[in-house]
Amino acid sequence: RKEVEQDPGPFNVPEGATVAFNCTYSNSASQSFFWYRQDCRKEPKLLMSVYSSGNEDGRFTAQLNRASQYISLLIRDSKLSDSATYLCVVNNRGGSYIPTFGRGTSLIVHP
Amino acid sequence: EAGVAQSPRYKIIEKRQSVAFWCNPISGHATLYWYQQILGQGPKLLIQFQNNGVVDDSQLPKDRFSAERLKGVDSTLKIQPAKLEDSAVYLCASSPRSGRAIVTNNEQFFGPGTRLTVL
Repeated sequence: RKEVEQDPGPFNVPEGATVAFNCTYSNSASQSFFWYRQDCRKEPKLLMSVYSSGNEDGRFTAQLNRASQYISLLIRDSKLSDSATYLCVVNNRGGSYIPTFGRGTSLIVHP
Repeated sequence: EAGVAQSPRYKIIEKRQSVAFWCNPISGHATLYWYQQILGQGPKLLIQFQNNGVVDDSQLPKDRFSAERLKGVDSTLKIQPAKLEDSAVYLCASSPRSGRAIVTNNEQFFGPGTRLTVL
């Protein structure tokens, strides 16, 4: 089993739709979690951290489920500009912050 | 604030040749990362430095890859000799906090990457 797994997609949705991605991790000792966004041929950029209590930033909501070992990202009211690859990042080695990226989930928002 | 700088942006070499990449992190950032990103995959951590010490290099193919971070600032990543499967984008990132701190928000700032093609 891979340390961090994501469905590569693509998720093809119309503008205004709500879409959700999950990311599963294998190490129960993982301590910190993030979502990054990567546009085509660009570098990844932090979208949001994922806190135990869940957190929201505008149209984006991130949640953590430690019992089932996954994090999720919900995007409401999708915009064309949301089209990108969404990468989850897990600190999956306890004691030191050593990040592991998932392969990313591709989102395409169409008119 | 200046971002993470990398050079060159593109490099084409033949297999068995050598190549080096350079990274200048954001000023004051303690932690520096080198990643390899193959097309269609997520970034794979090759090596992580905290200041000028190595935190993790477990996924660095040490028979051909080497990296150093002199004086805890700039870093270079070298491949010698290159193989066809080394074709990828090499990303450098930095973050302000210690790699050994348990933190809930340790944002990584990425450079634009170096796109390597090995023929």
